[in-house]
Amino acid sequence: AQKVTQAQTEISVVEKEDVTLDCVYETRDTTYYLFWYKQPPSGELVFLIRRNSFDEQNEISGRYSWNFQKSTSSFNFTITASQVVDSAVYFCALSRDSGTYKYIFGTGTRLKVLA
Amino acid sequence: DAGVIQSPRHEVTEMGQEVTLRCKPISGHDYLFWYRQTMMRGLELLIYFNNNVPIDDSGMPEDRFSAKMPNASFSTLKIQPSEPRDSAVYFCASSLQSVNREAFFGQGTRLTVV
Repeated sequence: AQKVTQAQTEISVVEKEDVTLDCVYETRDTTYYLFWYKQPPSGELVFLIRRNSFDEQNEISGRYSWNFQKSTSSFNFTITASQVVDSAVYFCALSRDSGTYKYIFGTGTRLKVLA
Repeated sequence: DAGVIQSPRHEVTEMGQEVTLRCKPISGHDYLFWYRQTMMRGLELLIYFNNNVPIDDSGMPEDRFSAKMPNASFSTLKIQPSEPRDSAVYFCASSLQSVNREAFFGQGTRLTVV
């Protein structure tokens, strides 16, 4: 069975602090995809990143970075120098490579960045 | 491209009424997903289509829910009759699995059944 766990329900930080959102996944597949989505207060779901299981390179995009470690089945997301606009709910998701393509979402982590 | 377009953005209806939610996926995408988001259950997949064909509807909660995709540019999710527990945000998403795989979501329809 596939599962995504985001153990942190809510995190509060002060602006300019770094923050890491944890994501742990379970799958028996050897090929799979991992995603992060952002849901700001306005409610839409915004795609942030996709990573396939064969690519364990960390990725950096501006203030965002992602650490994918197959050994620990984790795909963590770090925001450097957080800003108030980063306040949102962040979802980690898992998708299989073949067969059923549905996305399994974690329960989300609500990030509050205080000015 | 305009992205995934959902209508209406908000819907308030009385229990027992029929509700129809609409979705226009991104042009060229071959997969379409309907998700429901609630505080209690989070984001849960209701049904998804591949090339207009329903592939997995195991998430559809009851026979009161039905979804159709008559063509590549339009899908509906219908609830008949609606009940207060159906109140949620319903998201439609589309993706191009052969290339990008990431799903792009619409802005959602907030349904309130009173």
